[in-house]
Amino acid sequence: EAQVTQNPRYLITVTGKKLTVTCSQNMNHEYMSWYRQDPGLGLRQIYYSMNVEVTDKGDVPEGYKVSRKEKRNFPLILESPSPNQTSLYFCASSFNSPRGASEEAFFGQGTRLTVV
Amino acid sequence: AQTVTQSQPEMSVQEAETVTLSCTYDTSESDYYLFWYKQPPSRQMILVIRQEAYKQQNATENRFSVNFQKAAKSFSLKISDSQLGDAAMYFCAYRTYFSGSRLTFGEGTQLTVNP
Repeated sequence: EAQVTQNPRYLITVTGKKLTVTCSQNMNHEYMSWYRQDPGLGLRQIYYSMNVEVTDKGDVPEGYKVSRKEKRNFPLILESPSPNQTSLYFCASSFNSPRGASEEAFFGQGTRLTVV
Repeated sequence: AQTVTQSQPEMSVQEAETVTLSCTYDTSESDYYLFWYKQPPSRQMILVIRQEAYKQQNATENRFSVNFQKAAKSFSLKISDSQLGDAAMYFCAYRTYFSGSRLTFGEGTQLTVNP
């Protein structure tokens, strides 16, 4: 089954304690990204990766890190979480298709993070 | 930069009735995709319908259809014969044709379906 798997689904942590949210896809997608969802703001992109070892900032990258050592995995790292990073996080993947190819983004199940 | 605006934070509809959710966007591109995603309480992001900007015909998926007005940069979602299972947050999203283009989302519209 084609899917994007995020773990954990729920996480409560304390300020400053490093954490990693994992994301894995089994569709051989080149493009992967992380979004955060906040009430009234929709989903905003944090970081994205167009392929292995190629990552770049999205709209709200401050306080986050990512890596793309393998095509299937794209972990999100919060080295020193703060309460303003309390949010719902989504990983998504898709193909880097040429112009004209319609493509759907596949989303993980979401991770509800609370930083106290 | 592209922006997507959903001006209705909340909408409600009676079961079996029709409801329309609004979405406007701003872009200087001529080729792009538009999407409506549904997010039920389970939080899963579910693609409802997609529209390619070069297609003049409005997309339809069963009870879901769109009214795509390219010149007005408007992309509304119509849900016919609303069902209780349609209750969810709905997000409008945009992306260009360019390789690796990201999705830009609107703020979301929370739809309630009343029995």
